[in-house]
Amino acid sequence: KAGVTQTPRYLIKTRGQQVTLSCSPISGHRSVSWYQQTPGQGLQFLFEYFSETQRNKGNFPGRFSGRQFSNSRSEMNVSTLELGDSALYLCASSLGYREDNEQFFGPGTRLTVL
Amino acid sequence: AQSVTQPDIHIPVSEGASLELRCNYSYGATPYLFWYVQSPGQGLQLLLKYFSGDTLVQGIKGFEAEFKRSQSSFNLRKPSVHWSDAAEYFCAVGAPLNRDDKIIFGKGTRLHILP
Repeated sequence: KAGVTQTPRYLIKTRGQQVTLSCSPISGHRSVSWYQQTPGQGLQFLFEYFSETQRNKGNFPGRFSGRQFSNSRSEMNVSTLELGDSALYLCASSLGYREDNEQFFGPGTRLTVL
Repeated sequence: AQSVTQPDIHIPVSEGASLELRCNYSYGATPYLFWYVQSPGQGLQLLLKYFSGDTLVQGIKGFEAEFKRSQSSFNLRKPSVHWSDAAEYFCAVGAPLNRDDKIIFGKGTRLHILP
């Protein structure tokens, strides 16, 4: 079956703009998690959604938000972009929200903020 | 809260040689432990995981890892590396008792394969 897909794969924005990233999980998966990956900070957990509800949230400012739709697709939004938001944003899906559920990662969206 | 340390940022290994990547964690109980691999331009792929039971875990691509509670370690091993193993490897910890943290990743170890 198809893996996790993320769109777009690459994005260039300027400071102050806002951006929306999309993630389509594996069919049947109801949990979607988002991560930010940067060379300096590594992989950091942003938030997790399960059945359209945010279950967990990492330590990121309110400019980072997300949502999940009834078909389990998820979007994350970053408003008022800063240079430091340049990163690879990874989405992962799993069957459920338990920590022992294997997460399947998408290829990521590379965001560059100029 | 849990934490993960991968003390080696870069590891050069000759093709055909054995490999061990180190991972140490901090958590008050037995965590869920994972190793992921990331090839350039790709997302993460799960190599193996440990939840309970046998402390030696077999994974894909010939990798294995051993959970050592006394050392709070979960080192990844492979007896003979191939050039295709060049990638970045991440150790991760899940907290069965703490639902506020999903999974915490180490900073990663980049594996270089020498010809």
